[in-house]
Amino acid sequence: AQTVTQSQPEMSVQEAETVTLSCTYDTSESDYYLFWYKQPPSRQMILVIRQEAYKQQNATENRFSVNFQKAAKSFSLKISDSQLGDAAMYFCAYLNQAGTALIFGKGTTLSVSS
Amino acid sequence: NAGVTQTPKFQVLKTGQSMTLQCAQDMNHEYMSWYRQDPGMGLRLIHYSVGAGITDQGEVPNGYNVSRSTTEDFPLRLLSAAPSQTSVYFCASGGSRRDEKLFFGSGTQLSVL
Repeated sequence: AQTVTQSQPEMSVQEAETVTLSCTYDTSESDYYLFWYKQPPSRQMILVIRQEAYKQQNATENRFSVNFQKAAKSFSLKISDSQLGDAAMYFCAYLNQAGTALIFGKGTTLSVSS
Repeated sequence: NAGVTQTPKFQVLKTGQSMTLQCAQDMNHEYMSWYRQDPGMGLRLIHYSVGAGITDQGEVPNGYNVSRSTTEDFPLRLLSAAPSQTSVYFCASGGSRRDEKLFFGSGTQLSVL
């Protein structure tokens, strides 16, 4: 069975600074997708970024980028130029090879201060 | 385009009562799923469906039933509610391609007393 571990229950950052959220996963599959989702207090689930395991190039979406280390099974999220609106719970998630189960980590609560 | 619609948004039940959480999507997605979110636990998969008439169990299926008679609807049934089922429930749907994002409903806050 696949597992996703987020070892940082809480993180904090100041506006305009950079923060990195950690995620590790365990799997025996070779073909899978990884995601970061953002959940603000509204409870809405917002896709931040996705990474296909077969792509060596790290995904980037504006201020958000990942450091994907397949051999180490690590998938960290870097947020640059942090904004107050980035404050939220962030979930790392693994999509299995069959595409039937999205497995979430326990989440990291990010606070942003001015 | 409404996306994924969950009803109700809030519900309070007494132990032993039954109820159905409704989920509907208008994007013609084959894949639909139910998750529960508990503090400090992230989201955990309850049941999923890859098409009408096809359902399967996720990580935490006990105490829940599902059926999929149409592409649009995927209701989640609690036959005899227990306090351990107090949680926020999310329905999600997705297309056939694995790199497509899941579309989540706005969630149902369920309290079982």
